[in-house]
Amino acid sequence: QVQLQESGPGLVKPAETLFLTCTVSGGAIKNYYWSWIRQPPGKGLEWIGYVYYSGVTNYNPSLKSRVAISVDTSKNQFSLMLNSMTAADTAIYYCARDTAAAGKGFDYWGQGTLVTVSS
Amino acid sequence: DIQMTQSPSSLSASVGDTVTITCRASQSISSYLNWYQQKPGKAPEFLIYAASSLQSGVPSRFSGSGSGTDFTLTISSLQPEDFATYYCQQIHSTPRTFGQGTKVEIK
Repeated sequence: QVQLQESGPGLVKPAETLFLTCTVSGGAIKNYYWSWIRQPPGKGLEWIGYVYYSGVTNYNPSLKSRVAISVDTSKNQFSLMLNSMTAADTAIYYCARDTAAAGKGFDYWGQGTLVTVSS
Repeated sequence: DIQMTQSPSSLSASVGDTVTITCRASQSISSYLNWYQQKPGKAPEFLIYAASSLQSGVPSRFSGSGSGTDFTLTISSLQPEDFATYYCQQIHSTPRTFGQGTKVEIK
């Protein structure tokens, strides 16, 4: 059973950079796409972007200037960097396995981690 | 970006009812449409892909239909564990966009 676990700070100051890591267990990171999705408290889901195990990335244009997603296959991990954080970036951040390229969806999700932007 | 619009935003139903949620895309997405269920405090769970194919382990009371721009999710014989928020998602193109969600509440 594939499991994903997000890790990183729960509190970030305005203008700082967020770094989150997603560790994949129970399955290989290779041959799949991996996405980050966020959800502001009480609101809907926003796709941030994906990384393929080879390192190829694709980002939501709304965040493209501030985001980078990378992968470390040796550690079975992928990571999110989001800079210039503001209160509008306060959200639960999820990582997920992305099988959209195969015509499917986000079939495995992490539990999510709440990131609050506040001084 | 392709905009996804769900209706209604919320609905009240009783156990045993059949409920239908609609999702409309701002342009044709063929059948590249997924559905997710999210319960409070939990990550979304993947229900349906390709508009009408059930993900493994999903009860058969869930069904999906549609193509092009108009899609529906139907839950037959609503069970207590089905009270949740449901999201559609298009994967026709990036950015992968979600509908705003439909909350199914107990009447």
